[in-house]
Amino acid sequence: DSGVTQTPKHLITATGQRVTLRCSPRSGDLSVYWYQQSLDQGLQFLIQYYNGEERAKGNILERFSAQQFPDLHSELNLSSLELGDSALYFCASSTEGTRDSPLHFGNGTRLTVT
Amino acid sequence: GENVEQHPSTLSVQEGDSAVIKCTYSDSASNYFPWYKQELGKRPQLIIDIRSNVGEKKDQRIAVTLNKTAKHFSLHITETQPEDSAVYFCAASPRGDMRFGAGTRLTVKP
Repeated sequence: DSGVTQTPKHLITATGQRVTLRCSPRSGDLSVYWYQQSLDQGLQFLIQYYNGEERAKGNILERFSAQQFPDLHSELNLSSLELGDSALYFCASSTEGTRDSPLHFGNGTRLTVT
Repeated sequence: GENVEQHPSTLSVQEGDSAVIKCTYSDSASNYFPWYKQELGKRPQLIIDIRSNVGEKKDQRIAVTLNKTAKHFSLHITETQPEDSAVYFCAASPRGDMRFGAGTRLTVKP
């Protein structure tokens, strides 16, 4: 168990809908990362937060947004969903979010858009 | 941003043979290079990492080498076993935003 908690585990929704994915980092970790993994694909970096502030942004669509709250949990909001948004979404956390901090991954949320 | 390239995309070896996966990176600010193993349907898990102040690190059957001048690093698995079958990802993180290679699907045939 990595200590990173993601909810829900599975999510099935229809095109055009909006969903929220939730992540609780490991105790003591200040930085949270979001990644998207489509079927048989790699880990696409979406966004990173550190202690409530956005630190880095990757290939995140404008329909997607995220935030990190004062208690350090994070939420990823996906709106106007399309079939191509179906994927496994991973959250990861690290202690400092610096360039030499190992990432610890949650078990992911599997999103299916029908 | 950082661009991490990983080769090969698939690798099949016989049990007991060695496996080598190679990665290159573009941003010279990167100084930390982790490797993750992802089994089917599971989360990526850190298996070994190396920092730029060393050239090689070993942990039992797994080793990683780093050439900062050439901007490449490699994962070596010796005496492969069927349970080594998984997807392996390399990564680099110049400013804390960890970027991953595309992954290598390793199959170890018994």
